[in-house]
Amino acid sequence: DTGVSQDPRHKITKRGQNVTFRCDPISEHNRLYWYRQTLGQGPEFLTYFQNEAQLEKSRLLSDRFSAERPKGSFSTLEIQRTEQGDSAMYLCASSLGGGTSGRDEQFFGPGTRLTVL
Amino acid sequence: TQLLEQSPQFLSIQEGENLTVYCNSSSVFSSLQWYRQEPGEGPVLLVTVVTGGEVKKLKRLTFQFGDARKDSSLHITAAQPGDTGLYLCAGRNTGGGNKLTFGTGTQLKVEL
Repeated sequence: DTGVSQDPRHKITKRGQNVTFRCDPISEHNRLYWYRQTLGQGPEFLTYFQNEAQLEKSRLLSDRFSAERPKGSFSTLEIQRTEQGDSAMYLCASSLGGGTSGRDEQFFGPGTRLTVL
Repeated sequence: TQLLEQSPQFLSIQEGENLTVYCNSSSVFSSLQWYRQEPGEGPVLLVTVVTGGEVKKLKRLTFQFGDARKDSSLHITAAQPGDTGLYLCAGRNTGGGNKLTFGTGTQLKVEL
């Protein structure tokens, strides 16, 4: 399977702990996105990379959140000092940017479900 | 902030019925994508529409992008239980950014 993969699929942590999630995009895709989805809502954009450069960050991404894509391949999303409000599904998507058709279709991974106790 | 409103929020129908889901915004989008999501999984891309007035068909699903590229609809003919899921529309803004703005979703349940 050459789709987007995420690890772990589920994470339960205690409030105040740090957590890190990993995303492996589709291999030839140069763009990588992180979204957060809470129950009953559509995903909300967090941040976006083109290759290794982080080009856009949402105001939702507080200073406790940091994302990296060091070699332009996989990405990590770290949450420090987790709070109960961080409980959500964290979704990663990738796309093959640079075309002129305007499509730039984003393909999503299965997500990491975070529960903060 | 560009907002996408979906209607209805919930839909429960019998197998064989037809249905339409609407996705509306006051903003113009450069493209719009429809996804289906099942519990505990990520959204799966169904279709992308780019041109105003564009109509795309995917088996029993018909997608339309509004002429002004502010709205879209998804029509399902002869719904089947396998169509059950959360349907999400997502727009890519015209400002050159690449993030998607998602609608709140339509939860569809098709019963035998």
